[in-house]
Amino acid sequence: KNQVEQSPQSLIILEGKNCTLQCNYTVSPFSNLRWYKQDTGRGPVSLTIMTFSENTKSNGRYTATLDADTKQSSLHITASQLSDSASYICVVSDRGSTLGRLYFGRGTQLTVWP
Amino acid sequence: EADIYQTPRYLVIGTGKKITLECSQTMGHDKMYWYQQDPGMELHLIHYSYGVNSTEKGDLSSESTVSRIRTEHFPLTLESARPSHTSQYLCASSDRSGGTSGESSTDTQYFGPGTRLTVL
Repeated sequence: KNQVEQSPQSLIILEGKNCTLQCNYTVSPFSNLRWYKQDTGRGPVSLTIMTFSENTKSNGRYTATLDADTKQSSLHITASQLSDSASYICVVSDRGSTLGRLYFGRGTQLTVWP
Repeated sequence: EADIYQTPRYLVIGTGKKITLECSQTMGHDKMYWYQQDPGMELHLIHYSYGVNSTEKGDLSSESTVSRIRTEHFPLTLESARPSHTSQYLCASSDRSGGTSGESSTDTQYFGPGTRLTVL
C-alpha cells in the first residue's frame, strides 16, 4: 500500500535553532517528492521538489534530502524564525499515470517560540 | 504568490442547503483539483480536471460534484449539505514542468487559501 509517513507529528523549537523533519514513503513507482509549507488557514505552498536522481535541494534556509534507496526524505530548517511556524507536508508522486498521483503525509506541525 | 482564489473563505450553513464553493485561477493552468482536509489529517483528492469539459472523481468518495466550463473556473457543488461535509476544502491548479506528452511530469500544484465549511 502506497503511504507517506511523517515524524514527528509536532515539534516545538526556540527561534534561531535548527530542526529536521522526517518523511518515509512506500510509494512505488516513485516519480518525485515535494515538501510543502502550510500556514494555519492557508493552502500549502511548495518549498522543494526532488526527482529520483536528486539527493539534496535547498531553498533559502530550507534544505531537503532524498534517499531513494531507503525511501526516506528529510527537511532541515536552519536558524528558525517565528514565521516558520506552520505544518510541513511531504508529498510523493508516483509514475503510474499521466496525472502523477500524489500521496500526502499528515504533516509535521512546527511551532517556533521566541 | 499563486494566483488562485477561493470563495468564500468561511461558510457556516444549515443541513440540507445547496452550496457552491468557488475556485478560480488566472495562470492558464489546464489541470485543477479539489482536496478535502480535516484537522491534523492528510489532504484527500476528491475531484480533478484535465481541462475544459473534463472532470474525474478522486480517491476519496465525495457527494459533491464539479464542473469545468471555463479553464479558469472549477466550482464545487454540494446539493444537500450534511454535518459530515464539515471540513476544509482546498482547490489547486498545476502547470507542466518537464516531461513529454503522456509522461508523468513534475507538476507543481498551486493551492488556493481554502474554504472552511461548517454544516450545522
